[in-house]
Amino acid sequence: DTGVSQDPRHKITKRGQNVTFRCDPISEHNRLYWYRQTLGQGPEFLTYFQNEAQLEKSRLLSDRFSAERPKGSFSTLEIQRTEQGDSAMYLCASSLAGANVLTFGAGSRLTVL
Amino acid sequence: AQTVTQSQPEMSVQEAETVTLSCTYDTSESDYYLFWYKQPPSRQMILVIRQEAYKQQNATENRFSVNFQKAAKSFSLKISDSQLGDAAMYFCAYRHFSTSGGGADGLTFGKGTHLIIQP
Repeated sequence: DTGVSQDPRHKITKRGQNVTFRCDPISEHNRLYWYRQTLGQGPEFLTYFQNEAQLEKSRLLSDRFSAERPKGSFSTLEIQRTEQGDSAMYLCASSLAGANVLTFGAGSRLTVL
Repeated sequence: AQTVTQSQPEMSVQEAETVTLSCTYDTSESDYYLFWYKQPPSRQMILVIRQEAYKQQNATENRFSVNFQKAAKSFSLKISDSQLGDAAMYFCAYRHFSTSGGGADGLTFGKGTHLIIQP
């Protein structure tokens, strides 16, 4: 499968716990994006990387959110001290630099109890 | 900041009929890109069609076409000969133009329209 892979597909956690999501982009794509999608809303841009550099992170929702892409391949999105309001679908997408079209993964659904 | 508005939370169409989904956007930029994405239940979002703002000709992709009205900031999607597999959430999205390409500010999405296909 050469698409964008996300893991886990569904995570249930208790309030206050930390969670981490992983995204494996299409191998030749050097740009990687994270979005959050809450029920009944469109995806909301969070951050993006070009190779290993995080070029935009001002849209991360709070300092509890962080993302990394250490070797310019896969990326992780971590949420510390989760809150019930963090319950959402977290989408990853990738593209080639200069391309207009993003390829999305199936998402990781977070449920915070 | 750019905003994208989809005023139809839900639309229903008979199989084989034509349906039009509405989208309006607000921007002060003259160059930008517009997209329609489809999100089937529990599946990933896929691109349906895209339009460059500098192109006057409306984009078409098989049964899918757009009506791009730049002055009115309107970007509607027409689906002809609707099929059961077209049932999904449809999102209109905006991205500003960048000389370096890519999505430095990411895509701005509308809230989506849930399309139901009646057999």
